[in-house]
Amino acid sequence: KQEVTQIPAALSVPEGENLVLNCSFTDSAIYNLQWFRQDPGKGLTSLLLIQSSQREQTSGRLNASLDKSSGRSTLYIAASQPGDSATYLCAVDQGAQKLVFGQGTRLTINP
Amino acid sequence: GAGVSQSPSNKVTEKGKDVELRCDPISGHTALYWYRQSLGQGLEFLIYFQGNSAPDKSGLPSDRFSAERTGGSVSTLTIQRTQQEDSAVYLCASSLDGRSSGNTIYFGEGSWLTVV
Repeated sequence: KQEVTQIPAALSVPEGENLVLNCSFTDSAIYNLQWFRQDPGKGLTSLLLIQSSQREQTSGRLNASLDKSSGRSTLYIAASQPGDSATYLCAVDQGAQKLVFGQGTRLTINP
Repeated sequence: GAGVSQSPSNKVTEKGKDVELRCDPISGHTALYWYRQSLGQGLEFLIYFQGNSAPDKSGLPSDRFSAERTGGSVSTLTIQRTQQEDSAVYLCASSLDGRSSGNTIYFGEGSWLTVV
């Protein structure tokens, strides 16, 4: 059974810092890996999708990497801003876009 | 519509009552998903529709849970004889086609269910 783990569970950093969120998964037979953002009381917003054949994806200040063989992904956020405060969720696609989610990292950026 | 729409946004119901949750996906999206987010449990897959058929119902937690999708669009998740452990946020999502792995998945804001 696929298990997805995110470390750390919570992170608080001052504004302007670069930071890395980690995601690991136990079964490397995935179609893709996605990073989502969830604001309190809201749904999920897709940030980046990395296909299983890709190594990384970039969108603005966000960069996600994927090492499928070792079962790891990282989300790098550059020059963090208070508006980046949210819970970040990692999910792996086991096929037909059936996603298995990690528990999330709750990120707080302090002004 | 512009996004995935869910209703009701909040529902408080008495234990033992039935509830229906509705999802209106993005127009043109053939794939529709239901997930449940419980405190301390994270996000769990419930069911996947491709068009009107449900090739994967493996996540439905019990036979009290059922879902249907008609006309390839709106879906309804029904929970019969609700229990307190059913209290959670029920999230609906849609994508262009679930048979292709590269499509972005769009989530609604969820239906917050509280069983008292």
